[in-house]
Amino acid sequence: NAGVTQTPKFRVLKTGQSMTLLCAQDMNHEYMYWYRQDPGMGLRLIHYSVGEGTTAKGEVPDGYNVSRLKKQNFLLGLESAAPSQTSVYFCASTGDVLNTEAFFGQGTRLTVV
Amino acid sequence: GENVEQHPSTLSVQEGDSAVIKCTYSDSASNYFPWYKQELGKRPQLIIDIRSNVGEKKDQRIAVTLNKTAKHFSLHITETQPEDSAVYFCAAKGQNFVFGPGTRLSVLP
Repeated sequence: NAGVTQTPKFRVLKTGQSMTLLCAQDMNHEYMYWYRQDPGMGLRLIHYSVGEGTTAKGEVPDGYNVSRLKKQNFLLGLESAAPSQTSVYFCASTGDVLNTEAFFGQGTRLTVV
Repeated sequence: GENVEQHPSTLSVQEGDSAVIKCTYSDSASNYFPWYKQELGKRPQLIIDIRSNVGEKKDQRIAVTLNKTAKHFSLHITETQPEDSAVYFCAAKGQNFVFGPGTRLSVLP
């Protein structure tokens, strides 16, 4: 009964390096979301997906790309990391287009030096 | 897109008093309004939610009200306890899922 799992939990990158964050859910959820959370700020939506093969931009998409090749996985990519992308990243999923609870992953703490 | 505002950003109350946090949203298509509690270093956890066809919902010491016409909803916590201290987020869900900036609640013993 894993729910939503994020990989990795921690990562330190050098400026200009690339990486991919993986979000996996085992609840057969349609909707998946990537957020970033900075100190003193809320959860800002980066990108989201309404189903396998679909992605859409949120409020802060610049510098990130996403893919949803499989329904259970939602990948967040940083092509060329910048210090401004230092943050805690949360993935979440919900069940349908209506109104269901969002289940969150445990978060990924990313530091770009 | 959807925009969610939340007030106050910080709130201190004495143990046993009530706490109220208010949110407004902009997209009339949003139809689901959850509240999340986040303790330090942990993931957000759902504490209560309300759907657009309901005006009020209560769960023990926690209640949420929704005014769809005015596009605002509120969280009410009664008989606050030290373990209620955390950051609380409201959210609005339509096509996407947008959160407010959060309220840091401190319950003073």
